[in-house]
Amino acid sequence: NAGVTQTPKFRVLKTGQSMTLLCAQDMNHEYMYWYRQDPGMGLRLIHYSVGEGTTAKGEVPDGYNVSRLKKQNFLLGLESAAPSQTSVYFCASSSYRGHYEQYFGPGTRLTVT
Amino acid sequence: SQQGEEDPQALSIQEGENATMNCSYKTSINNLQWYRQNSGRGLVHLILIRSNEREKHSGRLRVTLDTSKKSSSLLITASRAADTASYFCATYTNDYKLSFGAGTTVTVRA
Repeated sequence: NAGVTQTPKFRVLKTGQSMTLLCAQDMNHEYMYWYRQDPGMGLRLIHYSVGEGTTAKGEVPDGYNVSRLKKQNFLLGLESAAPSQTSVYFCASSSYRGHYEQYFGPGTRLTVT
Repeated sequence: SQQGEEDPQALSIQEGENATMNCSYKTSINNLQWYRQNSGRGLVHLILIRSNEREKHSGRLRVTLDTSKKSSSLLITASRAADTASYFCATYTNDYKLSFGAGTTVTVRA
């Protein structure tokens, strides 16, 4: 079991460029989440999904889009990167019915110059 | 806004000592969870305590929950260098959204 994996691990973008972060889980979890982590702010939820084909906005969704075409994958897109999106991005998943523990990926460190 | 707030923000202890950190939250909960994050890594789930439980143990970890005060504490006994990490409490604000505090950074000195 690989658990939750994220690709890439590091990326540097110029302002205005686009990119997609890929999250994959092999635990057959229904729920998947994207967070960003900034110093002193804990984790903030960007978008989440409660099942294949569904997505919903979290606390800080602006500037990001997501897709969940397959149950095991959750993609986070930045259409036009801004320096304010410099952060560490974590994907997580949890089993059906929510309120359960979440399993996190190792993170993607993104720098936008 | 964050549901949980950890206290203290940072803690430095000697190896073998106990470390205690606290978490306060704002709304009623189904359960409260604690996570650990080692430097440069993702979060790892440590323990979950349900709202009808008052205390729970897992190895060297002891968690208490006081729903009347909306607070929880995490005790790590006989600390080791490997316990150096940030610790976060988290609660669900609805069925899907897990809200984290800003964390307590624990440094265990050899």
